[in-house]
Parts: sequence; C-alpha cells; structure tokens
Amino acid sequence: EAAVTQSPRNKVAVTGGKVTLSCNQTNNHNNMYWYRQDTGHGLRLIHYSYGAGSTEKGDIPDGYKASRPSQENFSLILELATPSQTSVYFCASGDWDRSSGNTLYFGEGSRLIVV
Amino acid sequence: GDSVTQKQGQVTLSEDDFLFINCTYSTTTYPTLFWYVQYPGQGPQLLLKVTTANNKGISRGFEATYDKGTTSFHLQKASVQESDSAVYFCALGMSNYNVLYFGSGTKLTVEP
Repeated sequence: EAAVTQSPRNKVAVTGGKVTLSCNQTNNHNNMYWYRQDTGHGLRLIHYSYGAGSTEKGDIPDGYKASRPSQENFSLILELATPSQTSVYFCASGDWDRSSGNTLYFGEGSRLIVV
Repeated sequence: GDSVTQKQGQVTLSEDDFLFINCTYSTTTYPTLFWYVQYPGQGPQLLLKVTTANNKGISRGFEATYDKGTTSFHLQKASVQESDSAVYFCALGMSNYNVLYFGSGTKLTVEP
C-alpha cells in the first residue's frame, strides 16, 4: 500500500483563491518535502520539514507556505493562487543516513490548474 | 552552491539499444548520487544510488557510477526494453544535508 499519499490528486482553482495540498506518510520518516515539477525544470524544492512543528524554505518558496502539524502530515498552502503556480506537486518523505544522505519516497502527485 | 545539470532532455532508442545518460554535478562536499525513475502518472521512485566515487550502483539491469575527477555521473543499460520508457532524474545529496537536488530529467522513449 502507498506510504505517501497526497490529496487532492487533481484541483482546479481560481486566481486569488486559497489552495491547500495535503500529504500523509506512513513511513515514520522525520523529513518531508514539497516539490513542483514543470517541463524543463525537473523537480524544484519548495518547502521541507525536519519534523512536527518545523518548516524550512527550499529553493522556490515565494507564494507558498507549509505546515507540519504532526509526524505524518505535511501541507502546502497557496494563500493567493496565481496561474504561474499551475503545476504538478509532489510530496516526499525521507530520513537522513550518515553514509548516504537522504533517500526520498514520493507520492503520486497533485495536479493543480489555476485559472 | 550545490547543483546538478542534466542536459539530455529526450532520448529515443529502439529495443535492445544501449542506454547512456549523463549528469554533471557541483559540490564542495562528498556526495551521494542518485538516479530516480518516473513512470507516467506516478511519482519518482529510487532506481539506484552511488555513495562512493568509482563504485558501481546496480539495479534492474541499470548501472551507475560517478567520477570525482570530471564531476560527472551516468546511468547505463546494455539493452533497453519498451517498459523502460520513463523519465530519469539524476539527483545530488550530501551526507550532511537532508535535501536532494534534482536534474531536469531525461525522457526516454523506447520504440519496439
């Protein structure tokens, strides 16, 4: 069964509206991540978290907020959605290993269209 | 800063062809280098990782190594199948960091 689940899987939002993307993991990993995927850009890191109550900015945090209320849940919040935020968003979980850094396990993605 | 570059955006091969995808990286620390594969409609999944330069990672018929001298790492497979059609991402991770930096991806299409 899927260890990282995202909801909603598909969402159409209006410009200026609020969007919340949710992620739940059953891997018991400390770290969770939000990436967006756009053609030609690969996967770009938006926010990540080391554990409940922590959020950190990634490479492209502008226009996004994150919330980690528990070990299992990590949300990405678009307070004022814009068409440039139309993308596929991936949540991932992982744990740091001394010898090899971090291996990430991804959800199946949330496709967001902002009109 | 730390970064990874993946220049081959698309590769089209025929079944049983040899696959070679290359990435270059930049970091001041000792990296672990990853290859992730993404099938249509799915999230990326780990294909293999290489923790030490000149060591080889092997999984599902794919091999990867990295060369510290040229700061490059590559993915290869001797004989691709149609089922290997997917997007392949290289990624850079450091032992003292919790973040992975991904390349822009290579879309592999294998024709029957």
